Amino acid sequence: DQQVKQNSPSLSVQEGRISILNCDYTNSMFDYFLWYKKYPAEGPTFLISISSIKDKNEDGRFTVFLNKSAKHLSLHIVPSQPGDSAVYFCAAKGAFQGAQKLVFGQGTRLTINP
Amino acid sequence: KAGVTQTPRYLIKTRGQQVTLSCSPISGHRSVSWYQQTPGQGLQFLFEYFSETQRNKGNFPGRFSGRQFSNSRSEMNVSTLELGDSALYLCASSKITGVQETQYFGPGTRLLVL
Repeated sequence: DQQVKQNSPSLSVQEGRISILNCDYTNSMFDYFLWYKKYPAEGPTFLISISSIKDKNEDGRFTVFLNKSAKHLSLHIVPSQPGDSAVYFCAAKGAFQGAQKLVFGQGTRLTINP
Repeated sequence: KAGVTQTPRYLIKTRGQQVTLSCSPISGHRSVSWYQQTPGQGLQFLFEYFSETQRNKGNFPGRFSGRQFSNSRSEMNVSTLELGDSALYLCASSKITGVQETQYFGPGTRLLVL
């Protein structure tokens, strides 16, 4: 049962345009959401996060939007740069049976074309 | 400050063998989590250790086990390897467990089972 889903395995965007990566979750117990970026041969690195009490968090070129009613979050990158080409994972945290769990999506490979 | 290190980086084993992977967290971090990454499945949580105790466990068979030492270094063991165990195994550390605690990932150990 995939509780966190990234339905687009890949995305291609022109340099300078906006990249929008989407993520859906099924469990309303999740209350904190994160995006990680992964380059080949490296571990994922933390990018940006959002608490369920907010609907938007911005950090430079990166903005995460959370729609709790739709159980949907998205990561916007604007303007997109070639160095943004990587695999992006969304993750959701929540307390289940007394333990914090972090559940990742399958990842979306973003390619920025010059 | 040195990042999370994992050894070995690459490993080739045959079915039925067992393997031990090692993870050294960032200095001062007491929580170590292990994940399996396979194409199409994203990062799947294996287990988390905190102060030498397993705090959390994912849905993996008992062939997957781990431990944490007093210096917070952690090992993961997989016994009776199967072809499907071929994956990238990632270790992540954080200071404490908690909703807003960011995890820092190592580069991973790529395991190939023949």
